[in-house]
Amino acid sequence: GENVEQHPSTLSVQEGDSAVIKCTYSDSASNYFPWYKQELGKRPQLIIDIRSNVGEKKDQRIAVTLNKTAKHFSLHITETQPEDSAVYFCAASRGAGTYKYIFGTGTRLKVLA
Amino acid sequence: GAVVSQHPSRVICKSGTSVKIECRSLDFQATTMFWYRQFPKQSLMLMATSNEGSKATYEQGVEKDKFLINHASLTLSTLTVTSAHPEDSSFYICSASQGEDTQYFGPGTRLTVL
Repeated sequence: GENVEQHPSTLSVQEGDSAVIKCTYSDSASNYFPWYKQELGKRPQLIIDIRSNVGEKKDQRIAVTLNKTAKHFSLHITETQPEDSAVYFCAASRGAGTYKYIFGTGTRLKVLA
Repeated sequence: GAVVSQHPSRVICKSGTSVKIECRSLDFQATTMFWYRQFPKQSLMLMATSNEGSKATYEQGVEKDKFLINHASLTLSTLTVTSAHPEDSSFYICSASQGEDTQYFGPGTRLTVL
């Protein structure tokens, strides 16, 4: 079945360093890839997204890259800050036009001050 | 913009009772709403998809008679957990879409069944 693999499951970085989280999807029809940040007990918040007609998107310290051929997409956070500490989920749309997502398993990012 | 509220934020109930959770899109019309379940330190598991005025579509393995979903208007969807049991205890989160790819999530409801 369709799935999204996410790595690593946990990631610790020093404040100021970069963090990279990688996801791989299986459904070649997926065309939308959002990233969500979830703090403990809170709602997932959309931090960046990318569509399949774009290879890279950047928003200040956050960037996402997409390799459609390899079915990989990655989240890059530069100049990490303690407030970036949270669980990050990648997702891939389930086919086209369904608006459903398949979520990755999550990455717990800890930024050490 | 794109704010989704959920009520209640926390509920504790006795085994065998039913619990209703509301999900509202506050500043947009949600053509589609989604209900997820999240276990501690795990990912979000899609339970069902609902479109305004039509029956919800349930994911495989989700009992539709157990988790009743109603999407009565373009701003309100409800999830009723019927005859709740301790194994139904979980964090339930809704999301809403304006008819495009992006989903906006509610703050979640923590259900504890004693």
